[in-house]
Amino acid sequence: EAGVAQSPRYKIIEKRQSVAFWCNPISGHATLYWYQQILGQGPKLLIQFQNNGVVDDSQLPKDRFSAERLKGVDSTLKIQPAKLEDSAVYLCASSKSGGAQETQYFGPGTRLLVL
Amino acid sequence: GQQLNQSPQSMFIQEGEDVSMNCTSSSIFNTWLWYKQDPGEGPVLLIALYKAGELTSNGRLTAQFGITRKDSFLNISASIPSDVGIYFCAGQLAGSARQLTFGSGTQLTVLP
Repeated sequence: EAGVAQSPRYKIIEKRQSVAFWCNPISGHATLYWYQQILGQGPKLLIQFQNNGVVDDSQLPKDRFSAERLKGVDSTLKIQPAKLEDSAVYLCASSKSGGAQETQYFGPGTRLLVL
Repeated sequence: GQQLNQSPQSMFIQEGEDVSMNCTSSSIFNTWLWYKQDPGEGPVLLIALYKAGELTSNGRLTAQFGITRKDSFLNISASIPSDVGIYFCAGQLAGSARQLTFGSGTQLTVLP
């Protein structure tokens, strides 16, 4: 079974530029998560989708971050404009239906450096 | 947001030694999870705990869900070089709609 795919793996941009990350979850997984992991910290949830609907985006900085999952499969996360403090690893994860005892499977992440 | 206090922050141990790490919180959790993250990769689930007092093993790894539901520990016995990595605890708060809150991680180094 293929895992969670993410691209690009690395991205370097200058502050105030825009950037987009892509995630393809495990086939058949209804729930998709985007996390931000700052160096030296654990992942922090940004947004959770159930199919193509948003379940929780309470920690997403909506003035600059946006995410969509239009067809309920793959998803994109965008930052516009980027700030220095956005430098982090952006992890995508998926689970079958988001149930309380379901495992979240993580992708390898996209490493963003904002200069 | 809710805080998980994970300790120690880092550990250097000799190959073959046992190691223990733990997470505590002031909040009650329904689920405790332990993940390992290798460089350049996403976290991988090691052990999941769903009931207070539960003790679960996965090979050389053993984890327990604290009776108070506010803490958990992970033990690794007879460490080997491939145990090197960052270990994260994560929990689902009671009534949290399945959100995971992660600790800040324990960086484990195993010396030959």
